[in-house]
Amino acid sequence: DTGVSQNPRHKITKRGQNVTFRCDPISEHNRLYWYRQTLGQGPEFLTYFQNEAQLEKSRLLSDRFSAERPKGSFSTLEIQRTEQGDSAMYLCASSLPGYSNTGELFFGEGSRLTVL
Amino acid sequence: QKEVEQNSGPLSVPEGAIASLNCTYSDRGSQSFFWYRQYSGKSPELIMSIYSNGDKEDGRFTAQLNKASQYVSLLIRDSQPSDSATYLCAVGSNFGNEKLTFGTGTRLTIIP
Repeated sequence: DTGVSQNPRHKITKRGQNVTFRCDPISEHNRLYWYRQTLGQGPEFLTYFQNEAQLEKSRLLSDRFSAERPKGSFSTLEIQRTEQGDSAMYLCASSLPGYSNTGELFFGEGSRLTVL
Repeated sequence: QKEVEQNSGPLSVPEGAIASLNCTYSDRGSQSFFWYRQYSGKSPELIMSIYSNGDKEDGRFTAQLNKASQYVSLLIRDSQPSDSATYLCAVGSNFGNEKLTFGTGTRLTIIP
């Protein structure tokens, strides 16, 4: 399967613990995005990378959140000192670079976080 | 604040009929417009993109864009039960920058 891969698919944690999600994009895609989606809402942009450079971060991304893409391939999203309000589906998406693409984001199946 | 608004539904349409989904956006500088389909518990899947005013057809789907009215719509002809899903409208500010702003989605149910 050459789609966007995310793991773990489900994570249940206690408040205050740290969690890390991993995303492996489609191999030829140099752009990688993180979105968050809560029940009944559309995905909300968190951050995106072009290769290894993190180009933009949403104000939704508090200092407890950190995302990396060290070699321009896979990415990790870490949440420190989790809070119940962090419970959501964390979606990763990738796309071809800039003007060479149709604007299509290819989403992974998501990592669902439940904070108890 | 950039906003994308959709009627959350649910919208119920008989099988074989036309389903009409609507979306308005607030940022006049928006350049790219997308419709994503999301089945329950699954991730969004792109079904249509549109960049210029007018209609764009792809199979049973037609996207319509009116930038002057800041309005995007999606028509689904010959609706099938498999079309039952949440439809997300997404808007991008610039070509090639896929930082999309999504609406809350419209839940569509096709009644057999």
